[in-house]
Order: sequence, then C-alpha cells, then structure tokens
Amino acid sequence: GESVGLHLPTLSVQEGDNSIINCAYSNSASDYFIWYKQESGKGPQFIIDIRSNMDKRQGQRVTVLLNKTVKHLSLQIAATQPGDSAVYFCAENPTGNQFYFGTGTSLTVIP
Amino acid sequence: GAGVSQSPSNKVTEKGKDVELRCDPISGHTALYWYRQSLGQGLEFLIYFQGNSAPDKSGLPSDRFSAERTGGSVSTLTIQRTQQEDSAVYLCASSSVKGAYGYTFGSGTRLTVV
Repeated sequence: GESVGLHLPTLSVQEGDNSIINCAYSNSASDYFIWYKQESGKGPQFIIDIRSNMDKRQGQRVTVLLNKTVKHLSLQIAATQPGDSAVYFCAENPTGNQFYFGTGTSLTVIP
Repeated sequence: GAGVSQSPSNKVTEKGKDVELRCDPISGHTALYWYRQSLGQGLEFLIYFQGNSAPDKSGLPSDRFSAERTGGSVSTLTIQRTQQEDSAVYLCASSSVKGAYGYTFGSGTRLTVV
C-alpha cells in the first residue's frame, strides 16, 4: 500500500514565528500533492497544492516545497498565528482520483 | 449544497447494533470517498465511488462494513454488528473528475460504540 509519513507528530511554535511541517512520501509516481489543515471537530480543508513539475509554490502565508529526489514535502507557514493551530496532513496522488494521507502533525501556536 | 454534508454529526450506539452514516456530496461531484479517522491517527481509506463504475472497496476493514451510493449522489455507509474498535470519526469527501484541488471533506460523523 501507499505510505505517506510525517517526521514530527507534534510541533509547538511561538506566535509570529515561522513553522515548517515535513512529510515524506513513498510513491515516486505521485504527481500531485496537497496539504490539508484539520481543525478540531472539522474535516480536513485544502490549504495548498503542488504538482510534480514544480518544486515550490506559494500561497498566502504558506509555501510548499517539493523535493522529488528524496520524496519530501514541506509546508512553511509564515508569521504563525493562533488560528493556525490544527493538524496538518500531506496527501499524495499517484494515480486516478485517490489520495493517500499521512498521519498528521499537530501544530500548536503559543501566544 | 455548498459543501459536503454528513449526518448524524455524532452517533452513540451499543455494541452489536447496526448503524448507518449518510453523506451528501457537492452537487456535480462524480467521485465520493469514505475515510475513517481514529483518535490521533491519519485518514484510513475505506471505499471510493466514481460515477457509475463499480466502487473500489479495497479499504473496507471487514464484511461488516458496506456502502452504497444511490443515483450517483447520496451515499450511505453501513456498519453491522458494531464493535468498540469501530469507534472513530467517519469522513466523507467528494471531488470532481481528476480531483483538482483534491477532495472537499464533510465535517464527519463521530461514532462511539459502547
């Protein structure tokens, strides 16, 4: 089966600092990746995506980096805010419509 | 509707009872997925419907689990003879063909088997 894993299950950062969440994926055929944010009691929500023909993509306060050589994704959140506290999942799409999700990293922002 | 709707939001049931969980996907989305999320865990794939094709049931953990999708829209996940290890949040998601922007998830049904 597919395996998408995260290096750190929990991360605590001070408000205003930058956060970096890492993810390793296993299928070199994956050509599309998404980061999701899941707040307590809610379903995961799309944050940002990246295709395999790119190595960096920026959104509002978020940046995703893709290193296909080592099959590694990261999510960078600039100027982390209390509202960023959530569980973050990476997901890979090797084929078709199905995505494979990692375990998640719980981000806690300390005011 | 504007998003994926799941009902009930919470369900407590006695061990051995059957439960039905409902999902209303986004109108026009042809793909529908069920995932299970245990406490502090990632998302475990259960089943996938795409249009009129036969569903991908490869993630269903046992024959106590089944799902159907009527008319290409609403889906029901049924768990028969529930066990305590079935306690989890059951998430439904839908997407358009070749899910650009991935899935849109519902808020889930929290199932507790006592």
